[in-house]
Formats: sequence, structure tokens, C-alpha cells
Amino acid sequence: KAGVTQTPRYLIKTRGQQVTLSCSPISGHRSVSWYQQTPGQGLQFLFEYFSETQRNKGNFPGRFSGRQFSNSRSEMNVSTLELGDSALYLCASSFEGQTYEQYFGPGTRLTVT
Amino acid sequence: DAKTTQPTSMDCAEGRAANLPCNHSTISGNEYVYWYRQIHSQGPQYIIHGLKNNETNEMASLIITEDRKSSTLILPHATLRDTAVYYCIVRNDYGQNFVFGPGTRLSVLP
Repeated sequence: KAGVTQTPRYLIKTRGQQVTLSCSPISGHRSVSWYQQTPGQGLQFLFEYFSETQRNKGNFPGRFSGRQFSNSRSEMNVSTLELGDSALYLCASSFEGQTYEQYFGPGTRLTVT
Repeated sequence: DAKTTQPTSMDCAEGRAANLPCNHSTISGNEYVYWYRQIHSQGPQYIIHGLKNNETNEMASLIITEDRKSSTLILPHATLRDTAVYYCIVRNDYGQNFVFGPGTRLSVLP
């Protein structure tokens, strides 16, 4: 099976712009979670989508949003970018089940200048 | 906040077993112990998980104490490619997101 794919892999944006990141989960996986990783804060949970509905949300401002499509692909959007949004954004997918492990993609490295 | 505590760093000689400890003294009955690792600049990789019985797969073994307050991940024959940050995570059986702590930075030395 193909793994989780994320596009683009690298992105450079300017403060105030917005950005959209994409994640394609493993075939058959219906849950997609997003994480932000920075050197200072480590890996932090952003939100999780299942069957096109947001099921869990982390403690991030409303500038961070996401959605999931009927084919389970997901996008996350960050509006009004700030320098502190520079990070590795990771997507993880999992199969719905009682003890489902998450499989991570390679991430998108976002740099805000 | 993460519900686990791990040593900040550990070294292991190549070819030897790497034993990575994790304390999770407040674990509740429906919470599983998961282990992930992250090699520099890559996405975290799932290793293994368990509830109360010891588990083994092709990558590692997971030993959970009888009171479930701690566990040990064992890499039986560490290689240089096992150098990574290892995360121990406690998570309930449905619907809870993963909370990653700082993990243990394992260095496998030649």
C-alpha cells in the first residue's frame, strides 16, 4: 500500500499570506489528523477529521482550519501567516477501529518570512 | 500535557539491545501504550502498542509491568539507523488524539 502523501513538501510564504496544505491518507483510512512540529513546542495536535467531520481539535487559533473530502483526502489552511507558524506540518491517517495506530506522512516544511 | 515521562537521551552500542523506559503512573484501564520514533526531519513512525500483555513485532518488543505504570521498549539488535527520537504515548481506546512529549533521543554508537 502507498503511504501517506503530503504536498507540497516545502513552502515559503510571507507574513500575512495564507497557505493550504494537502494530505492523501493511506487507502482505506478514514481518519486524518494534523500536527504542527516546532523546535520549541515539539509535536502538537491541530485537529482530526473523520468522515468529513472534525472530531477533535487542539488548542490553536482560528487561523488554522481544515477540511476533509469524501475520498478522505484532507487539507489544512492557515490564514494571515505569522513568523511563528514556521514549522513542519505533519498529517497522519488511521483506520477506524478501537485501537488504531496512526501512520504519518513526510510532512510539509513551511517557512514564513 | 503528555501523561508519560521518558529520559531525555540514551546511548546504545551498535548490535546491542536498546532498552527505552517509560513511566506512565497515571494510566487508566482503557488506555494503551504506544511507541513511535522520529528520525531527523521525517514523519514519526509507528513501532508498537499494547494494553497489558507484552507485545512483539518485527521491529521491537514492548514490556509492560503488571501494574501498567511503566513500560520498556526493546530494540533487540540496535543499528545506526535506529538513531532517532522515541516517543512513548498513552492514549485511550477510541477517539482521543495522540499527545507527544519530548521523547528520548537514542543515539546508537558504532
